[in-house]
Amino acid sequence: SAVISQKPSRDICQRGTSLTIQCQVDSQVTMMFWYRQQPGQSLTLIATANQGSEATYESGFVIDKFPISRPNLTFSTLTVSNMSPEDSSIYLCSAEGASYEQYFGPGTRLTVT
Amino acid sequence: EDQVTQSPEALRLQEGESSSLNCSYTVSGLRGLFWYRQDPGKGPEFLFTLYSAGEEKEKERLKATLTKKESFLHITAPKPEDSATYLCAVHWWSGTASKLTFGTGTRLQVTL
Repeated sequence: SAVISQKPSRDICQRGTSLTIQCQVDSQVTMMFWYRQQPGQSLTLIATANQGSEATYESGFVIDKFPISRPNLTFSTLTVSNMSPEDSSIYLCSAEGASYEQYFGPGTRLTVT
Repeated sequence: EDQVTQSPEALRLQEGESSSLNCSYTVSGLRGLFWYRQDPGKGPEFLFTLYSAGEEKEKERLKATLTKKESFLHITAPKPEDSATYLCAVHWWSGTASKLTFGTGTRLQVTL
């Protein structure tokens, strides 16, 4: 299994600003993922982040709005750019295990005012 | 089109009252089915992986089973600490990429 940490755990941001969320894994992993979870809802995949290549975005999510970095095998960042109240959500990162299961971080609760 | 459906949406049990949660899926090319537990304000916690029909996995009061089109999470004699949202996720091959699709979850509340 993998232990995932995220920073910040929560933040309140003003409309139009950007926030970068950091995700650290305690071991080297090939695949990392970023999800969004609205209160009471399930998880929606934003993008897949492979080390050494461009992130792959799901339909409805674009790089200009959600740029992702993956500088090494234990770390990734997600930036939420030019935020609006609709971006208020919980953002989760995960890492893929040896049998394709994913291990999740504790999440970042973002509120945009 | 919903590819992964969980039922019921919410379930309230008394302590000791056993029950089952359902996860049905319509994807083809199944590579695995995962069960997660999520507590409020936390990320999902991995519980089980099931790969083929007939497979079973157990952990404490939880037992997960898999058929060709659905999975069940059986909770035997639950305790209040089992209260959480239980999510299933289907790992499948779309033809061009490997995908993981989550269900909407079952919110379980166990009361004394």
